Amino acid sequence: NAGVTQTPKFQVLKTGQSMTLQCAQDMNHNSMYWYRQDPGMGLRLIYYSASEGTTDKGEVPNGYNVSRLNKREFSLRLESAAPSQTSVYFCASTEMRETGFNSPLHFGNGTRLTVT
Amino acid sequence: DQQVKQNSPSLSVQEGRISILNCDYTNSMFDYFLWYKKYPAEGPTFLISISSIKDKNEDGRFTVFLNKSAKHLSLHIVPSQPGDSAVYFCADNFNKFYFGSGTKLNVKP
Repeated sequence: NAGVTQTPKFQVLKTGQSMTLQCAQDMNHNSMYWYRQDPGMGLRLIYYSASEGTTDKGEVPNGYNVSRLNKREFSLRLESAAPSQTSVYFCASTEMRETGFNSPLHFGNGTRLTVT
Repeated sequence: DQQVKQNSPSLSVQEGRISILNCDYTNSMFDYFLWYKKYPAEGPTFLISISSIKDKNEDGRFTVFLNKSAKHLSLHIVPSQPGDSAVYFCADNFNKFYFGSGTKLNVKP
């Protein structure tokens, strides 16, 4: 069982370059999330998609865009990378229930991004 | 929106003793929380959860306590093992899943 797969695992960008982080899940989950992890800051939500065709901002959306390509895939794009976006990025998925309380998030193993 | 806060960035415990990790929250409308464990170079993994219909949930060596009046939850690990050394995050479990800043636990052999 692959679960949540993120590509690439590592990436180095120069300031101003663009890139897309890919995420795919094979658990048939309806909700998908992008987080970034920085030292002392925990996991901060960038964007999430409650269901196919919908996306919403999280705590730190500036500088990012997302696309929910289909039920399986949720990509994160940096249009013009900045050093402040150096971080570890995690994608996660879950099944959102009608009550609003979800099953636990399943995470990928992350993409370590450095912007110089 | 919910805010969850972990005020202790690190904790060091001797093997075999109890580890207690703490988390405070601000919005009491939705009392449903989870704990995640994270090893270096891996994604976080779900550990245990608790809802407002309970004040305690136990799973093997791990127990989570919820004090609704104090808006506080804690994770107890008994006995602690070196393999428990990791970063632990608390998170709310409604819609957006907000996480605390994490507590790095070091269990010394």
